[in-house]
Amino acid sequence: GEDVEQSLFLSVREGDSSVINCTYTDSSSTYLYWYKQEPGAGLQLLTYIFSNMDMKQDQRLTVLLNKKDKHLSLRIADTQTGDSAIYFCAESIDDYKLSFGAGTTVTVRA
Amino acid sequence: DAGVIQSPRHEVTEMGQEVTLRCKPISGHNSLFWYRQTMMRGLELLIYFNNNVPIDDSGMPEDRFSAKMPNASFSTLKIQPSEPRDSAVYFCASSSLQETQYFGPGTRLLVL
Repeated sequence: GEDVEQSLFLSVREGDSSVINCTYTDSSSTYLYWYKQEPGAGLQLLTYIFSNMDMKQDQRLTVLLNKKDKHLSLRIADTQTGDSAIYFCAESIDDYKLSFGAGTTVTVRA
Repeated sequence: DAGVIQSPRHEVTEMGQEVTLRCKPISGHNSLFWYRQTMMRGLELLIYFNNNVPIDDSGMPEDRFSAKMPNASFSTLKIQPSEPRDSAVYFCASSSLQETQYFGPGTRLLVL
């Protein structure tokens, strides 16, 4: 299967941590990705994790991978108003395809 | 590098007209992808080129859609004739083989 599922909406208060969750189905995925899309813009690669890793940290971003449960999460520490966007989880399938989730709309409130 | 470049950024046309979307991938990338994004269907892969050759066009909706990549630095996606249901954001992305895909800013197409 090629289904990537994410919750559609997340509201978080400025300064708090955001956690966006994703489940995927292809256990052979080599890479898993998080992309960010701001209003009216294209998809910007935020971070990715290789499938043999459990965790990757990059400044305010922490990616956790539970390969057994096929669960991926993105934690944004100290969420700012500029983090308001749609976040897409994607898994690599075959040698070139990406299967995207529907996206999680993150709204940061003051 | 300037990243993936797409033109036009916005296109408004009338039903039945031909629409041509253009993409310049990142220099040195040998894979190019065309995606369509709509509220209803999310992100859909339309076609994938590797070394200028179409490898997977299974996502192309119908014969009205065609894509070409005459050289490593240019690709087009053409819709002829266009229909209102083709209204969407069309993204081009490029990558080195089996590596991360980098997306362009997209072309917002409205067919009236």
